Amino acid sequence: EAQVTQNPRYLITVTGKKLTVTCSQNMNHEYMSWYRQDPGLGLRQIYYSMNVEATDKGDVPEGYKVSRKEKRNFPLILESPSPNQTSLYFCASSFWPARGRSYTFGSGTRLTVV
Amino acid sequence: SQQGEEDPQALSIQEGENATMNCSYKTSINNLQWYRQNSGRGLVHLILIRSNEREKHSGRLRVTLDTSKKSSSLLITASRAADTASYFCATDAGNNDMRFGAGTRLTVKP
Repeated sequence: EAQVTQNPRYLITVTGKKLTVTCSQNMNHEYMSWYRQDPGLGLRQIYYSMNVEATDKGDVPEGYKVSRKEKRNFPLILESPSPNQTSLYFCASSFWPARGRSYTFGSGTRLTVV
Repeated sequence: SQQGEEDPQALSIQEGENATMNCSYKTSINNLQWYRQNSGRGLVHLILIRSNEREKHSGRLRVTLDTSKKSSSLLITASRAADTASYFCATDAGNNDMRFGAGTRLTVKP
């Protein structure tokens, strides 16, 4: 089944404790992206990657890191999480470049930083 | 930053009624897409309309696009309780990402 898999689904952590949210896709998509979703703000892009070893900042990259060493994986790293990073996170992927591409989303990771 | 803005923010209707949601955006686009999100879950792609199209249908979904007004609407006909979800428009301007609005929360009462 074509899908984007995120783990974990839920995570509660303490301020300052490094964490990684994994994202993997099995569709051979070049493009992958991380979003955070907060009430009233919609989805805001954190980082994106157009292919292996090609990553770039989105609208809200502060406090986050990513890597793209393999085509299928795009982990999101919070080196020192803070409470304002409490949010619902989504990974998405698509073909690139391609006009009219649609995104396939993961099921989300609900992160709480206390 | 957001590009699309959905209207209304929330909509409550009875089963069998039609639901109409609107999306306005600010810059020129290549295409506009609508996604659906069940509570706390990932977004699912519903339909895409290109900038040179004015109307598109998919099952009970009808999407219109007016590029002169920079707006789109999503119509769900004969709604069902299972249509209860949040609906987002996303604009693709051909740059590096799509811009999502804050969504319309649709509740369909049985």
